[in-house]
Amino acid sequence: DAGVTQSPTHLIKTRGQQVTLRCSPISGHKSVSWYQQVLGQGPQFIFQYYEKEERGRGNFPDRFSARQFPNYSSELNVNALLLGDSALYLCASSLDLGDYGYTFGSGTRLTVV
Amino acid sequence: GQQLNQSPQSMFIQEGEDVSMNCTSSSIFNTWLWYKQDPGEGPVLLIALYKAGELTSNGRLTAQFGITRKDSFLNISASIPSDVGIYFCAGGLNLLRGTSGSRLTFGEGTQLTVNP
Repeated sequence: DAGVTQSPTHLIKTRGQQVTLRCSPISGHKSVSWYQQVLGQGPQFIFQYYEKEERGRGNFPDRFSARQFPNYSSELNVNALLLGDSALYLCASSLDLGDYGYTFGSGTRLTVV
Repeated sequence: GQQLNQSPQSMFIQEGEDVSMNCTSSSIFNTWLWYKQDPGEGPVLLIALYKAGELTSNGRLTAQFGITRKDSFLNISASIPSDVGIYFCAGGLNLLRGTSGSRLTFGEGTQLTVNP
């Protein structure tokens, strides 16, 4: 069975640009969460989506947005990129909204120059 | 906001030794989890704890949910080289179980190095 798949694996963007990251959850998982992991730190919660609705948002600016599609896949968008947005962006899926048994993808490494 | 303090930050041990690491919080959680992250990969769930005082094992790993709900520890017995990696604790506070989401607050990680 395929795990959580994220694309792209790496990308480099320039300050001020916009980026879209994609995530496909494990088949049957309805909840998708996004985390940002800056080098040397633990992951930090950005969003949780369940049944196409935002069900939680972390302390991130409005430049960060996301959505979930009918097939439960998800996209994370970041506008007006800053150098500080450079990080590993992790997507995690779980069966239901209250399920802490996340499975994480391998992440997208974003570098902003 | 909630903060998790994880210690130690790093550990260097010999193969076969036992390891202990812990996590403390200034506020309560009703779920504690421990993850391991290898380079270039996402975190992998090792153990999940759902009740205060709970002690759970997974092979050579044992974790406990502190009775105050503000701490947790992870023990690894008889370490082997593949135990190398970064270990993260994470806390969840699902006030309305099943309906209010499952965001996690992560600690800063413990980097474990095992010398053969």
